[in-house]
Amino acid sequence: AQTVTQSQPEMSVQEAETVTLSCTYDTSESDYYLFWYKQPPSRQMILVIRQEAYKQQNATENRFSVNFQKAAKSFSLKISDSQLGDAAMYFCAYRRYTGNQFYFGTGTSLTVIP
Amino acid sequence: DTAVSQTPKYLVTQMGNDKSIKCEQNLGHDTMYWYKQDSKKFLKIMFSYNNKELIINETVPNRFSPKSPDKAHLNLHINSLELGDSAVYFCASSQKGRDRGLLNTEAFFGQGTRLTVV
Repeated sequence: AQTVTQSQPEMSVQEAETVTLSCTYDTSESDYYLFWYKQPPSRQMILVIRQEAYKQQNATENRFSVNFQKAAKSFSLKISDSQLGDAAMYFCAYRRYTGNQFYFGTGTSLTVIP
Repeated sequence: DTAVSQTPKYLVTQMGNDKSIKCEQNLGHDTMYWYKQDSKKFLKIMFSYNNKELIINETVPNRFSPKSPDKAHLNLHINSLELGDSAVYFCASSQKGRDRGLLNTEAFFGQGTRLTVV
């Protein structure tokens, strides 16, 4: 079974600084999708960034970027120039190409210090 | 237009009652899900339906019964509510993941229903 591990239950970052959230996963598949979701206090689940396993280039979305290491099964999220609005729970998720199920990590709570 | 909408947003009820949460998606997705998020924020899959057919049924008390009248709707009915059922329940939907380069392969979530059993 696929598992997704987020080893950092809590992280904090100074405003305007950079922070990296870790995620590792276990799979025997070669094709799959990876995602980072943000859940602010409003509790809405918001997609931050997605990565397809066949793409070697790391995905970026404005201040958010990933470091995807397929061989190491690692998918970390880097947030640059952190803002107060980035404070939230962040979930890493995995999905096989042909499957319907999403596998979520346990989440990392990010605090942004003014 | 809300892509995945679930109602109600908040639900406070007494132990032993029966309640339902409704979910609708207007994205044309084939697959819909119910997730439970506990107080530690863990997201746990409960059920998944694909084109009205149940495909994932995790270890959930049989007091929980999903119903999918059509592929755009997935409702969750809970009988004999218990204190431990208090949580946030999320509905989500997704399209089939098939190919490389397919866009919008993520799960789209509703805004969640906070259920409090007193």
